[in-house]
Amino acid sequence: GQQVMQIPQYQHVQEGEDFTTYCNSSTTLSNIQWYKQRPGGHPVFLIQLVKSGEVKKQKRLTFQFGEAKKNSSLHITATQTTDVGTYFCAGPLAAGNKLTFGGGTRVLVKP
Amino acid sequence: DGGITQSPKYLFRKEGQNVTLSCEQNLNHDAMYWYRQDPGQGLRLIYYSQIVNDFQKGDIAEGYSVSREKKESFPLTVTSAQKNPTAFYLCASSRGGAQPQHFGDGTRLSIL
Repeated sequence: GQQVMQIPQYQHVQEGEDFTTYCNSSTTLSNIQWYKQRPGGHPVFLIQLVKSGEVKKQKRLTFQFGEAKKNSSLHITATQTTDVGTYFCAGPLAAGNKLTFGGGTRVLVKP
Repeated sequence: DGGITQSPKYLFRKEGQNVTLSCEQNLNHDAMYWYRQDPGQGLRLIYYSQIVNDFQKGDIAEGYSVSREKKESFPLTVTSAQKNPTAFYLCASSRGGAQPQHFGDGTRLSIL
């Protein structure tokens, strides 16, 4: 069936290093959204990408939407302990009704 | 201060008991959602509602029921038919189907 896949499932990062996590859809998306869930907390909306090839930055986080609008990436530079959590991508697989969330990338930071 | 309020924060269910989780929003959002999250796992959609007095089953609706009598409220009942209810339950709302979702703080449900 239609789905949203995220890789890797787990990411262990040394503090100060960069890393990238990826989101792939089985179908073209009208938009892609990213959320962050801190341990013990709830998902918080970070950003929405709409245009093909769009790139947006939030401080050390860079989000990109693929040219075919079927994939997206989140790149974090100079990882800090505050980046710990699970990052979910989500997109509307079926026209206009609801979001489908990926399985998430769990980020652990080694000080 | 606009947001989504879920209550209670922690809930314990006895065998054969139905329990109801509350979700209220004052964001004037049309759409509301219920998700289940098991430890270390992603979000699984239980039910969603895009308008008052209407709701649809998500991926794991069996053993759950909902109502949407008011725009602000979307309570979830975990029935005795749900044999493994222990999980973190998250309620969310949005302006519409594909729009960004705002989540409540969640309810942790356990079996006594």
